[in-house]
Amino acid sequence: GAGVSQTPSNKVTEKGKYVELRCDPISGHTALYWYRQSLGQGPEFLIYFQGTGAADDSGLPNDRFFAVRPEGSVSTLKIQRTERGDSAVYLCASSLTNGYNSPLHFGNGTRLTVT
Amino acid sequence: GQQVMQIPQYQHVQEGEDFTTYCNSSTTLSNIQWYKQRPGGHPVFLIQLVKSGEVKKQKRLTFQFGEAKKNSSLHITATQTTDVGTYFCAGPESGGSNYKLTFGKGTLLTVNP
Repeated sequence: GAGVSQTPSNKVTEKGKYVELRCDPISGHTALYWYRQSLGQGPEFLIYFQGTGAADDSGLPNDRFFAVRPEGSVSTLKIQRTERGDSAVYLCASSLTNGYNSPLHFGNGTRLTVT
Repeated sequence: GQQVMQIPQYQHVQEGEDFTTYCNSSTTLSNIQWYKQRPGGHPVFLIQLVKSGEVKKQKRLTFQFGEAKKNSSLHITATQTTDVGTYFCAGPESGGSNYKLTFGKGTLLTVNP
């Protein structure tokens, strides 16, 4: 079956602009996560959705970052007033549940470059 | 906050040699997960260990979870070029649910054919 789909695969934007990154999880997966990966680092947790609600957004770096999942499936990560430090690969993952024995299935990520 | 450290950061081996990467957490973990990321790819789940002292094998890969549930290792026997990639360990935040994983920086394995 289809895996986690993320669009766009690459996004180049100018400092100060607004961007939206989209994630389409595996069908039937109730849990959805956003992680950010910088070069040479492991993925860093940003936010977790269970259904439509953001159950934990403690990893969002500041209030320029926001994410939604209005119908409990597709999610959009929104970044306002982008800064060069926001450049990274943004990974979306989904899992069947949020419990044990429910591993994360990652998408290919969106590589964001802020110039 | 919780820290997950991995060593070595890089490892280059000749095909056929063994490889081991070590993972250490600053806090006790309820479970530990291992992921593999091929160059240019995304992390792919390999395995989860839950019990103290647990050992699991997947073909040439052997995973161990320490008795104190603060460390883990991944050992690959007789590496192949298909083993190339970065291996990450990850554990849930102490006292937290399984969803919020803290990843190590990973060990990049390269294999010379």
